[in-house]
Amino acid sequence: EVQLVESGGGLVQPGGSLRLSCAASGFTFSNYEMNWVRQAPGKGLEWVSYISSSGSTIYYADSLKGRFTISRDNAKNSLYLQMNSLRAEDTAVYYCARDGAPYSSGWFDSWGQGTLVTVSS
Amino acid sequence: QLVLTQSPSASASLGASVKLTCTLSSGHSSYAIAWHQQQPEKGPRYLMKLNSDGSHSKGDGIPDRFSGSSSGAERYLTISSLQSEDEADYYCQTWGTVNWVFGGGTKLTVL
Repeated sequence: EVQLVESGGGLVQPGGSLRLSCAASGFTFSNYEMNWVRQAPGKGLEWVSYISSSGSTIYYADSLKGRFTISRDNAKNSLYLQMNSLRAEDTAVYYCARDGAPYSSGWFDSWGQGTLVTVSS
Repeated sequence: QLVLTQSPSASASLGASVKLTCTLSSGHSSYAIAWHQQQPEKGPRYLMKLNSDGSHSKGDGIPDRFSGSSSGAERYLTISSLQSEDEADYYCQTWGTVNWVFGGGTKLTVL
């Protein structure tokens, strides 16, 4: 069974940093492209970032303006999101999501349960 | 610009059927999409990938009551024999070369 478990969320002050993790199991992590998606309170889903299976190709949503960094460790079956210069508008539940097929990018076929990031003084 | 448009809300009675619509922006009518369900206070759940020709592949354990179809730039999710647990937000999702896009979501109320 595919499992994605996010961690690392919490309360952080504006301008602060946080590192999210997503532990993957139940599939060959190194074969799949991965994404981070967020959902602000009461709002819809917003794609944040993508990383290819090898980690060599990375994309970000334009709105992030270079503040976030996605990475992965295939030996540890883990996905990460380093978030810097956090703002109140980054407050959201952050989900990791797996791409729907090995070595392919497109639809998301598995989701974690999410981790809440709250940016507030 | 790649955009997905969904109606904010829909409602139907218990045991009835409902058809939700996701519309692709101009010039993107050949794109495939995915449908995701988000029940209250839960994370999203993948329902199906839906191609422009109407063919679709569902996620593990998704009941036969959920089906997809396509017409031009419209992508549909039909839920038959509505049950109370179908009350949820439904999101469509697609992808471009360097970006991934979600529709605004449709909140389905089961009466």
